[in-house]
Amino acid sequence: GQQLNQSPQSMFIQEGEDVSMNCTSSSIFNTWLWYKQDPGEGPVLLIALYKAGELTSNGRLTAQFGITRKDSFLNISASIPSDVGIYFCAGYGGSQGNLIFGKGTKLSVKP
Amino acid sequence: NAGVTQTPKFRVLKTGQSMTLLCAQDMNHEYMYWYRQDPGMGLRLIHYSVGEGTTAKGEVPDGYNVSRLKKQNFLLGLESAAPSQTSVYFCASSFLRDTQPQHFGDGTRLSIL
Repeated sequence: GQQLNQSPQSMFIQEGEDVSMNCTSSSIFNTWLWYKQDPGEGPVLLIALYKAGELTSNGRLTAQFGITRKDSFLNISASIPSDVGIYFCAGYGGSQGNLIFGKGTKLSVKP
Repeated sequence: NAGVTQTPKFRVLKTGQSMTLLCAQDMNHEYMYWYRQDPGMGLRLIHYSVGEGTTAKGEVPDGYNVSRLKKQNFLLGLESAAPSQTSVYFCASSFLRDTQPQHFGDGTRLSIL
């Protein structure tokens, strides 16, 4: 089945640093979504992308829908301790119409 | 605004026992989903529903059954629990399928001994 490759698997950064993570697919996706999951909670939607090349911001977060429609990127600027959590990419593509998830990027922020 | 509510939040079962997980959404969404989340595996779709009275199999349906008798509720059943079903279970809902984001509950942590 379709798979999303999300990288990196984990990141340890200093407060104030910028963060970049990405997802790639072997097939074309029509929608890209980025979620954040805090410990003991469910994933919460951060950004939704619907068009190739689209660049969307949500506060300090910026995500892009790759022009090839096979990748997406999430950037976090000036990280703060509350950015800690697991970030998941997800996308819709293919005939079944199910949402496909990456395996997540675990972000740790040192104060 | 509750969104998606899952009950119970935690449960411990013995092998062979049965139980039902309840998901309720107050957003009038047509589509509802059950996922399981295991370390290193991400979220995997168990079953989903495209409307009241309908259900369909996802990626990992074996050992689970579901029912959608009311639009706002989606039930996940384990008929004979196995240790391999120890996981965190998430319910989600969406207005449309194929393009719209799914909104998740806070999960049910299930341990099978």
